[in-house]
Amino acid sequence: EAQVTQNPRYLITVTGKKLTVTCSQNMNHEYMSWYRQDPGLGLRQIYYSMNVEVTDKGDVPEGYKVSRKEKRNFPLILESPSPNQTSLYFCASKLSSYNEQFFGPGTRLTVL
Amino acid sequence: AQSVTQLDSQVPVFEEAPVELRCNYSSSVSVYLFWYVQYPNQGLQLLLKYLSGSTLVESINGFEAEFNKSQTSFHLRKPSVHISDTAEYFCAVSPSGSARQLTFGSGTQLTVLP
Repeated sequence: EAQVTQNPRYLITVTGKKLTVTCSQNMNHEYMSWYRQDPGLGLRQIYYSMNVEVTDKGDVPEGYKVSRKEKRNFPLILESPSPNQTSLYFCASKLSSYNEQFFGPGTRLTVL
Repeated sequence: AQSVTQLDSQVPVFEEAPVELRCNYSSSVSVYLFWYVQYPNQGLQLLLKYLSGSTLVESINGFEAEFNKSQTSFHLRKPSVHISDTAEYFCAVSPSGSARQLTFGSGTQLTVLP
């Protein structure tokens, strides 16, 4: 089944404890993105990647890192999480500029 | 840069009534337009999209949206809603032909009442 998977789905952590949210797609898509969803703000892009080893900042990149060492994986790294990073995070992928974007199921992160 | 405004954060409507969810965008370049739907506790799913050609686009479940370039709008409509249409709806825009990803509106919660 074609899909985008994220792990974990739920995570509660404490301020300053490094964490990684994994994202993987099995559709051979070139483009991958990370978004955060907050009430009243919709989805805001954190980082995106156009291909392996090619990443760029989205609208709200502060406090986040990403890497794209393999085409299928695009992990989101929070080196020192803070409470304002409590949010619902979505990974997405698409084949090219012209194609539909597929979303993962979301990761709900709480930073205490 | 582009931006998207969804004018209504909450839209309650009775079952079988018509509904319109409003979306306006701004962009200095030509754009692709999308509507996504998010059911409770789920990820986003593409509902319909405008890339080029006919300005009226339709989804398989009875929704339609019309691209109006002069008014920079892409309103979503359905002539008769069902309880199962209760969800949050997001309008999104991307520059046409660009690698830049989607810019989303803040979302409209559609609640269909019995």
